[in-house]
Amino acid sequence: KAGVTQTPRYLIKTRGQQVTLSCSPISGHRSVSWYQQTPGQGLQFLFEYFSETQRNKGNFPGRFSGRQFSNSRSEMNVSTLELGDSALYLCASSFRQGLGGYTFGSGTRLTVV
Amino acid sequence: QKEVEQDPGPLSVPEGAIVSLNCTYSNSAFQYFMWYRQYSRKGPELLMYTYSSGNKEDGRFTAQVDKSSKYISLFIRDSQPSDSATYLCAMSITQGGSEKLVFGKGTKLTVNP
Repeated sequence: KAGVTQTPRYLIKTRGQQVTLSCSPISGHRSVSWYQQTPGQGLQFLFEYFSETQRNKGNFPGRFSGRQFSNSRSEMNVSTLELGDSALYLCASSFRQGLGGYTFGSGTRLTVV
Repeated sequence: QKEVEQDPGPLSVPEGAIVSLNCTYSNSAFQYFMWYRQYSRKGPELLMYTYSSGNKEDGRFTAQVDKSSKYISLFIRDSQPSDSATYLCAMSITQGGSEKLVFGKGTKLTVNP
């Protein structure tokens, strides 16, 4: 059974650019969440999608957005990149909410220069 | 005060030692309590999750939850060099019908042969 797949694995962007990251959840999983991981702040919740609807959003500026498609694949977009956006972006999927355990992908390492 | 506090370590032990990792939390609304293991350049991997106070054992790993003290622990018996990783505690909370995870910052563990 394939795990959670995130693409690309590594990305280097320039300040002011925008970026789109992709996540394919485990087959049958309908809930997809995104997290940002930095050495200073640890893992922080960005947003969660279930059946193409954003159900919850963390405390991040509006430059961070996402969407989910009918096949449960999800994308997140960051516009007007800042140096502080450099982080590991992780996607996690779950069969349904309320089970507690999520399966994470290996992440996309974004570096903003 | 952060919702979840975790000693970042680092923690260095000899092979075969018993390892104790701990987290405290402040939000009584947390429902599930999880431990994730994260190897370098990888996403977090779910080790254990539990709902109620008490102990849960899985091989060399024991997760302990004390809801009255808002304290959770992970014990690793007979630690192995392959256990060297960052261990993250996580807790789930449901808001507006959506679930999100709140993570500790992680404890970096090194098991020396």
